Amino acid sequence: GQNIDQPTEMTATEGAIVQINCTYQTSGFNGLFWYQQHAGEAPTFLSYNVLDGLEEKGRFSSFLSRSKGYSYLLLKELQMKDSASYLCAVRIISGNTPLVFGKGTRLSVIA
Amino acid sequence: EAQVTQNPRYLITVTGKKLTVTCSQNMNHEYMSWYRQDPGLGLRQIYYSMNVEVTDKGDVPEGYKVSRKEKRNFPLILESPSPNQTSLYFCASSFSMNTEAFFGQGTRLTVV
Repeated sequence: GQNIDQPTEMTATEGAIVQINCTYQTSGFNGLFWYQQHAGEAPTFLSYNVLDGLEEKGRFSSFLSRSKGYSYLLLKELQMKDSASYLCAVRIISGNTPLVFGKGTRLSVIA
Repeated sequence: EAQVTQNPRYLITVTGKKLTVTCSQNMNHEYMSWYRQDPGLGLRQIYYSMNVEVTDKGDVPEGYKVSRKEKRNFPLILESPSPNQTSLYFCASSFSMNTEAFFGQGTRLTVV
């Protein structure tokens, strides 16, 4: 089966750096997405990693290690508006569904 | 403006009364999908479609139907809704399964 693990909740301080981890055990791995979802709103795309390494996009960076089944999302210079859930999703090329989401990590940014 | 539009945003219905949630995208995307989101369970895929007249079951298809007669529309049909289908539903579209998905605003469905 497919299994994706993320911490349920995290808290960090405004201006700080936070790393949200995602580990996965899947067959047919073909890439990993990160989405942001504010409470009561739709998810919005942050990043997509297919190859190993770090991809930086402004304050947000995403890292992938395919051999370790591990990814993280790094948020720098945290702002209050970064309080949201962060969803890790794995692209699968076999199985019932081509995209499997983790349960999400709810990040609270405090002053 | 590029968008995915779902209707209705909120719906309360009774057990057994057929309903349809519409989804339309204006980005000429080939890939569309439906998810439900429940507390503690995350987003789970119900059905997806890779193109017109091509649909496939996701992880939780029981009790749902879909159709893809036109590229822009992908309605979700509940023939006989039950209380366990009370959930927040999202439609999404993308150029392919390997590109970013654009989500609709969500439909909060309550079945009593």
